[in-house]
Amino acid sequence: LAKTTQPISMDSYEGQEVNITCSHNNIATNDYITWYQQFPSQGPRFIIQGYKTKVTNEVASLFIPADRKSSTLSLPRVSLSDTAVYYCLVGDVGGPGTALIFGKGTTLSVSS
Amino acid sequence: SAVISQKPSRDICQRGTSLTIQCQVDSQVTMMFWYRQQPGQSLTLIATANQGSEATYESGFVIDKFPISRPNLTFSTLTVSNMSPEDSSIYLCSVGKQGLNTEAFFGQGTRLTVV
Repeated sequence: LAKTTQPISMDSYEGQEVNITCSHNNIATNDYITWYQQFPSQGPRFIIQGYKTKVTNEVASLFIPADRKSSTLSLPRVSLSDTAVYYCLVGDVGGPGTALIFGKGTTLSVSS
Repeated sequence: SAVISQKPSRDICQRGTSLTIQCQVDSQVTMMFWYRQQPGQSLTLIATANQGSEATYESGFVIDKFPISRPNLTFSTLTVSNMSPEDSSIYLCSVGKQGLNTEAFFGQGTRLTVV
């Protein structure tokens, strides 16, 4: 599995756009990039997944450059409820038998 | 999607005792995964539980300390044995992608405090 590097923490204010970048220099051809969000006292929750270029859903956007050695999770107009830990995971999507290996994650703190 | 229920949600236990954590999934799944999350840390995979066979443990985790049962395709238990304060953590169960879903699903976790 490719190792990922992301900032330990980030601070933002309500209404701002937040971009969290993840480095994964050793990403393999079959690897996908997936982001999870974890609130205190809850299990991680899937946010978004992509392979290349840009993916957007109702929660976030994921930008992946052509070399795929990094990716950026973009959260538009954050609110206090977006305060959480965000994990970048890189690996083969695989089947139902694939365990997720988590890195350290980025703690996002949103203030009013 | 998959809905996962974990019990208990939290417990305070005496050192030297054991606690069994239950994980119930609302659909049949092949693999279930158990994670530990120590205070302020990321998730660490403990073991993978396949129905009908012995669980596969990650480095640093052994069956005698963390026995796992997987009696059917919707249920698993993790026991934390002979607990010490160092076992104080959140324990989470998870299932992998289901059908066309690309995501994994997690239970709410069991917050264990050993005193």
